[in-house]
Amino acid sequence: GNSVTQMEGPVTLSEEAFLTINCTYTATGYPSLFWYVQYPGEGLQLLLKATKADDKGSNKGFEATYRKETTSFHLEKGSVQVSDSAVYFCALSVQGGSEKLVFGKGTKLTVNP
Amino acid sequence: DTEVTQTPKHLVMGMTNKKSLKCEQHMGHRAMYWYKQKAKKPPELMFVYSYEKLSINESVPSRFSPECPNSSLLNLHLHALQPEDSALYLCASSQDWGRLYFGPGTRLLVL
Repeated sequence: GNSVTQMEGPVTLSEEAFLTINCTYTATGYPSLFWYVQYPGEGLQLLLKATKADDKGSNKGFEATYRKETTSFHLEKGSVQVSDSAVYFCALSVQGGSEKLVFGKGTKLTVNP
Repeated sequence: DTEVTQTPKHLVMGMTNKKSLKCEQHMGHRAMYWYKQKAKKPPELMFVYSYEKLSINESVPSRFSPECPNSSLLNLHLHALQPEDSALYLCASSQDWGRLYFGPGTRLLVL
């Protein structure tokens, strides 16, 4: 079956620190990979995505590269801000499969000034 | 307009009440979703409508009843809920695989 494993945290960093949130997956077929972010009191919003191996998704200074050989999609940011404090979810979907988006358990990030 | 709206934002109901959650999108998306999210957990898929037809029901109890009156609207009718049904209920829509637009959610408390 399809599944996503991500580091659960919580992660606490100081402003301007480097961020890595690990995500690995198992999938039947060829998945598309996503990072969603949920700010406090809000719904989820797409942060970035990659649809095939070696693709790099990027947005708002965040990046993640689709690594088929290691089945990974780690999220990185070079310098975090207080406003990045949120819960981050790694997710996958398999085109041609069901309409399901499979989420990891989420990683809560807190950035202190 | 890339917004999914949900009403109400908050809802408190007793176990004998009947209430409805509403969701609306005007992006022309073909698919609409209901998710349930408990605190500190990822969203759990409940229902998917594709082209206004129910395509996925994740074995959700019958006290939850979805309805898709047209391509822009999605309702979730609630009846005889249990306290453990208290959660954030998220609506989403999509046109592309995996690229979901979520609403802000309805925070439901069942007493």
